Amino acid sequence: GDSVTQMEGPVTLSEEAFLTINCTYTATGYPSLFWYVQYPGEGLQLLLKATKADDKGSNKGFEATYRKETTSFHLEKGSVQVSDSAVYFCALKDQGGSEKLVFGKGTKLTVNP
Amino acid sequence: EAQVTQNPRYLITVTGKKLTVTCSQNMNHEYMSWYRQDPGLGLRQIYYSMNVEVTDKGDVPEGYKVSRKEKRNFPLILESPSPNQTSLYFCASSWQGQTNEKLFFGSGTQLSVL
Repeated sequence: GDSVTQMEGPVTLSEEAFLTINCTYTATGYPSLFWYVQYPGEGLQLLLKATKADDKGSNKGFEATYRKETTSFHLEKGSVQVSDSAVYFCALKDQGGSEKLVFGKGTKLTVNP
Repeated sequence: EAQVTQNPRYLITVTGKKLTVTCSQNMNHEYMSWYRQDPGLGLRQIYYSMNVEVTDKGDVPEGYKVSRKEKRNFPLILESPSPNQTSLYFCASSWQGQTNEKLFFGSGTQLSVL
């Protein structure tokens, strides 16, 4: 079945450092790909998405590019802030008609001042 | 304001005492789903519903029930809770039929079963 693999956390960075969180997927079709973010004490919210190969999703300084050849959707940000401290989830939704979102296990990011 | 509302936010109970976690959305979404979040396991889907009176099992349905009598509500029922159901629970909803549609999540219910 479909699956998502994220890099193990936790990740600890200093403010203004460069961030990469790796995500790879396995899917039978051509899924849509998402990054969700969970701030402390809150539910998940969509950070960015991409629906086809070579699409780049971006939001709040974060970017991720849908790479079909490497089945990857790595999350990047050039300069992180303390307010970016959260848990980040990579997810996919297959285009087969199911509404099911398959999540990775999440990567906890802590940004220190 | 568009939102998914879960109640209660925190719940402590004892083994075997039936409980219900409510979930309501005000966006006229067809699709609703329950997830549980556990350390090291991420989010796992419990049950989902594609529309009123249509529900189906997710990946970890054992010990849970749901109902979808109205479009806006999707309660999660634990008939006889056990300690292994101690977890953080999230309800989510979305429009159906578009693969790029995002899920809207509630704020979560932290359940402890003693």
